[in-house]
Amino acid sequence: QVQLVESGGGLVKPGGSLRLSCAASGFTFRDYYMAWVRQAPGKGLECISYIGNVIYYADSVKGRFTISRDNAKNSLYLEMTSLRAEDMAVYYCARVVGATVGYGMDVWGQGTTITVSS
Amino acid sequence: QSALTQPPSASGSPGQSVTISCTGTSSDIGAYNYVSWYQHHPGKAPKLMIYEVDKRPSGVPDRFSGSKSGNTASLTVSGLQAEDEADYYCTSFTLMSIHVVFGGGTKLTVL
Repeated sequence: QVQLVESGGGLVKPGGSLRLSCAASGFTFRDYYMAWVRQAPGKGLECISYIGNVIYYADSVKGRFTISRDNAKNSLYLEMTSLRAEDMAVYYCARVVGATVGYGMDVWGQGTTITVSS
Repeated sequence: QSALTQPPSASGSPGQSVTISCTGTSSDIGAYNYVSWYQHHPGKAPKLMIYEVDKRPSGVPDRFSGSKSGNTASLTVSGLQAEDEADYYCTSFTLMSIHVVFGGGTKLTVL
């Protein structure tokens, strides 16, 4: 079945780095734009990046996070550097409907948790 | 502060209908028919319930319906069931920034 599984979350110190992965299965990964969405504790959902023919970032992570994909491995990645307390959240990968996240995201993973603390 | 405004909470008894509003501007909801609604049970993956204002993905019960008037979109849940209790988020396409704006979420309680 169509599935996304995130991994790579954990505890990291402020200023540290972490790499998240998202393994896709059950669909032709290369045919879809993909996104990362996060939810900080007690907060709502926030789309922080998506990748299609072009890459987009939210202002909150621009210059610190890098999204990438490996279509041969059916995988999406998020390289996170200079992590801050406000980056602490559950991070979800999601499949994009059409050519932009604004059209919708129809498949989501269960999420992986990032804790930023000294 | 979220770009789209949703009420923080909504409630209804089993079998009743409840409508959740999502107010934006003429640059997002008012300009495009790309409003989506997501259901999120804590600890689980969010689920797309409505896209393009009023379309339901395969598998979403027809108890869920979407609409839009001007700068405000709405999600109506009819025949409330216990499993509908969740957080609901609206989004809209926008030309700004990362091309999507989210609402702050509405916690739906089934009494």
